[in-house]
Amino acid sequence: DGGITQSPKYLFRKEGQNVTLSCEQNLNHDAMYWYRQDPGQGLRLIYYSQIVNDFQKGDIAEGYSVSREKKESFPLTVTSAQKNPTAFYLCASIHRGDTGWGTEAFFGQGTRLTVV
Amino acid sequence: DQQVKQNSPSLSVQEGRISILNCDYTNSMFDYFLWYKKYPAEGPTFLISISSIKDKNEDGRFTVFLNKSAKHLSLHIVPSQPGDSAVYFCAAGVYGNKLVFGAGTILRVKS
Repeated sequence: DGGITQSPKYLFRKEGQNVTLSCEQNLNHDAMYWYRQDPGQGLRLIYYSQIVNDFQKGDIAEGYSVSREKKESFPLTVTSAQKNPTAFYLCASIHRGDTGWGTEAFFGQGTRLTVV
Repeated sequence: DQQVKQNSPSLSVQEGRISILNCDYTNSMFDYFLWYKKYPAEGPTFLISISSIKDKNEDGRFTVFLNKSAKHLSLHIVPSQPGDSAVYFCAAGVYGNKLVFGAGTILRVKS
């Protein structure tokens, strides 16, 4: 079955440590996105990538880093510079077909990161 | 700068009645708009979308209306069912580029 997989579902991190969240898709989608959800603030865009080896900052990129070495994978690293990393993180992807970009973003099930 | 706004944090509706969720946006460059439904600790699931060249799109009980001059869109759910209770997010995007979400509206459908 095609889909988008985030792992782990729950992650605990000590203050001052970097941690990497995994996002893998087998939908052959070109664009991938990382969002952060906090209560009452909806989904805020961290980074996005339209093509392999290229990515752009979203609205809240500070303290985060990404890579896009493969089309299927878009890992997000939460660095020690991120001041308030405890949140629910969501990864999404969008397809680019022969007739242009799709509109429906497919989401993973999310990773809950807690700093202890 | 919040480009997509959902000004109602919550909405309560009686089963069988219409639910109307609203969304405003500021960027006239958006090509398309989407509505997503989300349960706690899960990823959002797609409901319905509309291109910027249309003003209405229907899918079963869900209809999205777009008013470009007012930079406003709305989602109508008719009839509302208890299973519709969730958080609803409005999103707007430029093809292949940014996809921006609103803060969400909690819908409670009472039976």
